[in-house]
Amino acid sequence: GAGVSQSPRYKVTKRGQDVTLRCDPISSHATLYWYQQALGQGPEFLTYFNYEAQPDKSGLPSDRFSAERPEGSISTLTIQRTEQRDSAMYRCASSLGAGQEQYFGPGTRLTVT
Amino acid sequence: AQSVTQLGSHVSVSEGALVLLRCNYSSSVPPYLFWYVQYPNQGLQLLLKYTSAATLVKGINGFEAEFKKSETSFHLTKPSAHMSDAAEYFCAVPEGAQKLVFGQGTRLTINP
Repeated sequence: GAGVSQSPRYKVTKRGQDVTLRCDPISSHATLYWYQQALGQGPEFLTYFNYEAQPDKSGLPSDRFSAERPEGSISTLTIQRTEQRDSAMYRCASSLGAGQEQYFGPGTRLTVT
Repeated sequence: AQSVTQLGSHVSVSEGALVLLRCNYSSSVPPYLFWYVQYPNQGLQLLLKYTSAATLVKGINGFEAEFKKSETSFHLTKPSAHMSDAAEYFCAVPEGAQKLVFGQGTRLTINP
């Protein structure tokens, strides 16, 4: 695609519900990243993929968070049993390869009530 | 581990005035440094990138940044602010080959 797209742009969910966020990277990009951005803070790294491989999950806050990229293209980030502290902007980025310039999507703003 | 500090979460300048947004990095000299800009309801956009080829880096929209090793700084400047520069600006440094470590951001307001 022309750029990185994310859906939904906004998501409101009740505490305890599961949510799944989607990222569609630039089509030629091998590497995909997920970041979490709390209000008033900069983005913080969650995880990344090289194609379908997920070499680094070190930034995932808890085992309630998981991500996948089964065919090396679209990725999803799932948060199980959401908590209010999960409320944040979730940003996806992609790059041609690891260490290359990252292109960011518009983000998904998640609100847990 | 790398960390990035942006002094001033909010900066307000008059239209036509100098813009100065501060960024300091910690730890060893990074191979790259970035400034990203976020306009309302849009994603992060790369403003400029330092790659050690030159200490003064020019970016889009008239912005530039100077890498100063002695001060561990990479401050962003623009000689004359325009109303369209109102946005949030983030400084970032790579950690490893994959992740970016961001500062907390500086919201720039331009007064007419």
